[in-house]
Amino acid sequence: AQSVTQPDIHITVSEGASLELRCNYSYGATPYLFWYVQSPGQGLQLLLKYFSGDTLVQGIKGFEAEFKRSQSSFNLRKPSVHWSDAAEYFCAVDMNTGFQKLVFGTGTRLLVSP
Amino acid sequence: EPEVTQTPSHQVTQMGQEVILRCVPISNHLYFYWYRQILGQKVEFLVSFYNNEISEKSEIFDDQFSVERPDGSNFTLKIRSTKLEDSAMYFCASSDLRGSGEQYFGPGTRLTVT
Repeated sequence: AQSVTQPDIHITVSEGASLELRCNYSYGATPYLFWYVQSPGQGLQLLLKYFSGDTLVQGIKGFEAEFKRSQSSFNLRKPSVHWSDAAEYFCAVDMNTGFQKLVFGTGTRLLVSP
Repeated sequence: EPEVTQTPSHQVTQMGQEVILRCVPISNHLYFYWYRQILGQKVEFLVSFYNNEISEKSEIFDDQFSVERPDGSNFTLKIRSTKLEDSAMYFCASSDLRGSGEQYFGPGTRLTVT
């Protein structure tokens, strides 16, 4: 069955340090790939998405992600984390069935220390 | 910026009661979705809706669930006879494009079944 794995449940990063959140998917073809962020009490906000083309995609808030087909990964990165980045981050996959049914990973909670 | 809205923000109901969760998608969007997130778990797809009919549904979306677009603006999720395990955050989303369109999520309705 198709699945999305985010192996890190929690990550703590110092403010100003770099960040990488891991995401792996299990799917026969190349799906559409997304990263969403959820702040407490808020809905899900799209950070970035990959459909095709350049495997390094830029998103909002200084985030980027790299699609690596050989590793079935779509890791999220940010060179310098700000305290306001503390939130839950979800990787999601659209299996390209046409109606964009998103399959989410379990999420990674990012804590930012001073 | 247009946004998806959901009401109520929190609903408490007794087991066996019917609940209706309401969503107002972004006005020019044509594709509508419901997801749920049980506390501490990942976001799960429930149903997608297009052209006044369900286009896809998950195994979670059994006969106890139904969706409706009663007028030109609202999109509702009804649970006919709630169970304790229906307690979750329910997210509505909408998009304007099939497949490659970004899904815009609402802030969610927290449903508590007692």
